[in-house]
Amino acid sequence: AQSVTQLDSQVPVFEEAPVELRCNYSSSVSVYLFWYVQYPNQGLQLLLKYLSGSTLVKGINGFEAEFNKSQTSFHLRKPSVHISDTAEYFCAVSVLIQGAQKLVFGQGTRLTINP
Amino acid sequence: EAGVVQSPRYKIIEKKQPVAFWCNPISGHNTLYWYLQNLGQGPELLIRYENEEAVDDSQLPKDRFSAERLKGVDSTLKIQPAELGDSAVYLCASGWVNTGELFFGEGSRLTVL
Repeated sequence: AQSVTQLDSQVPVFEEAPVELRCNYSSSVSVYLFWYVQYPNQGLQLLLKYLSGSTLVKGINGFEAEFNKSQTSFHLRKPSVHISDTAEYFCAVSVLIQGAQKLVFGQGTRLTINP
Repeated sequence: EAGVVQSPRYKIIEKKQPVAFWCNPISGHNTLYWYLQNLGQGPELLIRYENEEAVDDSQLPKDRFSAERLKGVDSTLKIQPAELGDSAVYLCASGWVNTGELFFGEGSRLTVL
């Protein structure tokens, strides 16, 4: 079975500091990987995705993530965070099962940016 | 382009009452999903549709939950009767069958008293 582990439930960071949100997954087959962001009282918005090709993926709002197949990781990074980045971040893995993609989410990491 | 639309955004009911949520997906998407999100947790799949067919409803508590997707477009999720533990956000999402990328609505927050 596929699973996603977000290693930190909460990450406090000062404004303009760098941040890394960690995500590991388990799967015996090829996967697609995603990071979603959820602002308070809103739905999930896609930050970035890895489907194939370059293992370094750039997304919106200055975020990027690197797919590491050997370590089964897909950590999210941003070199300098802003107050507006305060939100919940979800890592997700999509696996092809019986001809259709199944998306499984991690538990989320709450990123809090302090001034 | 309009996104995924859900209604109502908020619903407060007493336990044992019925409740229904509606979702209009993005035009052209052939998959539709209902997810349950409890406070402080990630979304959990309730049911997945490909066009009109429910292809994965293994996580749907069928004794009280039901869903339908008439004509392969809009979908309705119903709970009858609601229990206190059903208080959560119900998210609808749509996408294409081959990529796994989903587009989410803003969710329907249910409070059962």
